[in-house]
Amino acid sequence: EPEVTQTPSHQVTQMGQEVILRCVPISNHLYFYWYRQILGQKVEFLVSFYNNEISEKSEIFDDQFSVERPDGSNFTLKIRSTKLEDSAMYFCASSEGGDIFRGNSPLHFGNGTRLTVT
Amino acid sequence: AQSVTQPDIHITVSEGASLELRCNYSYGATPYLFWYVQSPGQGLQLLLKYFSGDTLVQGIKGFEAEFKRSQSSFNLRKPSVHWSDAAEYFCAVGTYNTDKLIFGTGTRLQVFP
Repeated sequence: EPEVTQTPSHQVTQMGQEVILRCVPISNHLYFYWYRQILGQKVEFLVSFYNNEISEKSEIFDDQFSVERPDGSNFTLKIRSTKLEDSAMYFCASSEGGDIFRGNSPLHFGNGTRLTVT
Repeated sequence: AQSVTQPDIHITVSEGASLELRCNYSYGATPYLFWYVQSPGQGLQLLLKYFSGDTLVQGIKGFEAEFKRSQSSFNLRKPSVHWSDAAEYFCAVGTYNTDKLIFGTGTRLQVFP
């Protein structure tokens, strides 16, 4: 079964550094998402992306964050100047269609990238 | 605003025992409800979902969940737990006018032989 692939599995960075988290969604999927989970807290929506633009973002997704689909296969999340509180597990997800609630286009999640900011 | 509560942080059961994981949601209209499972080192896998119709929904791996509007609940059940069911379980809610899912904090299930 096709999978969403995320690299690296664990990233350690120093506060203030830029970090790029990479995701390869399932090949025929058109909608892409980032979620994150701070240790011990809820999985939180960050952003959704369709047709090369952001379709929805949460209040967490401030100017420090950006997403990009640089080519036909990758979907990246960039954090420009990392803070300690950015330490979390970041999940990428994709769906074939945008109507994820009709059951025809369920979200497929990757295994996550654990980001540690020191 | 929508919210999801999973009151049990950690549950331990014996293999073969029945299981019920609790989920309560807060939303003004009929929500879309999901259960996801996360095994160690793995991503989130969809177990089952409720959109409308029959309030008892069947999912993968022998799981089922029942939507109870009067209790704002969507509890996950399994009649006989297997050791491989040990994982973290997340309840989530969505609405028709947004892309995002709202997740609960998760329940960690431990299974003893």
